[in-house]
Amino acid sequence: GAVVSQHPSWVICKSGTSVKIECRSLDFQATTMFWYRQFPKQSLMLMATSNEGSKATYEQGVEKDKFLINHASLTLSTLTVTSAHPEDSSFYICSAFGQGREETQYFGPGTRLLVL
Amino acid sequence: GQSLEQPSEVTAVEGAIVQINCTYQTSGFYGLSWYQQHDGGAPTFLSYNALDGLEETGRFSSFLSRSDSYGYLLLQELQMKDSASYFCAALGATNKLIFGTGTLLAVQP
Repeated sequence: GAVVSQHPSWVICKSGTSVKIECRSLDFQATTMFWYRQFPKQSLMLMATSNEGSKATYEQGVEKDKFLINHASLTLSTLTVTSAHPEDSSFYICSAFGQGREETQYFGPGTRLLVL
Repeated sequence: GQSLEQPSEVTAVEGAIVQINCTYQTSGFYGLSWYQQHDGGAPTFLSYNALDGLEETGRFSSFLSRSDSYGYLLLQELQMKDSASYFCAALGATNKLIFGTGTLLAVQP
């Protein structure tokens, strides 16, 4: 299957700092990437849809100014959690959907964020 | 709103067959996917049903009935390694996936 990577795999930061998470499609061009958040023992919640070269589309209830998404190329999307707070601690997962990979979304390994 | 409901937990023994149900209420429905997620890991794709009926992939099968807004995942010859969370997910417009509530499967020896 297709490979999607995320970096970093885990991060610990102080409250008030910003954290950037990268999502890369390694062997295909991802026209669309998605960002999810998953709290312990809960389901994945879609945060936003990231399209290359255009503004991200955020789901209802997700603050676009707090979760900045940039999809600068067909293989890279970034999620920046600005002024992180302890309640932002979660598992952030990206997925990619692209040309030649229409049958499913391919998920990255996830980034575990802990805000102290 | 959109929702996909699953049983929260299912327990079965090795070698048995288990069925995980998913009922959905969504708009712009294109198909139903199933994902497996082990603790601490990312979801891995299991199957996708765009049409009504049964899709079989090895020990896993998935079924969809659009008229009933219902699907299920069938796991046969259960193994200990199948202990994980299983999610159904509805594929909608713009290729968005909306995930179900998830089912934690515990396989016992």
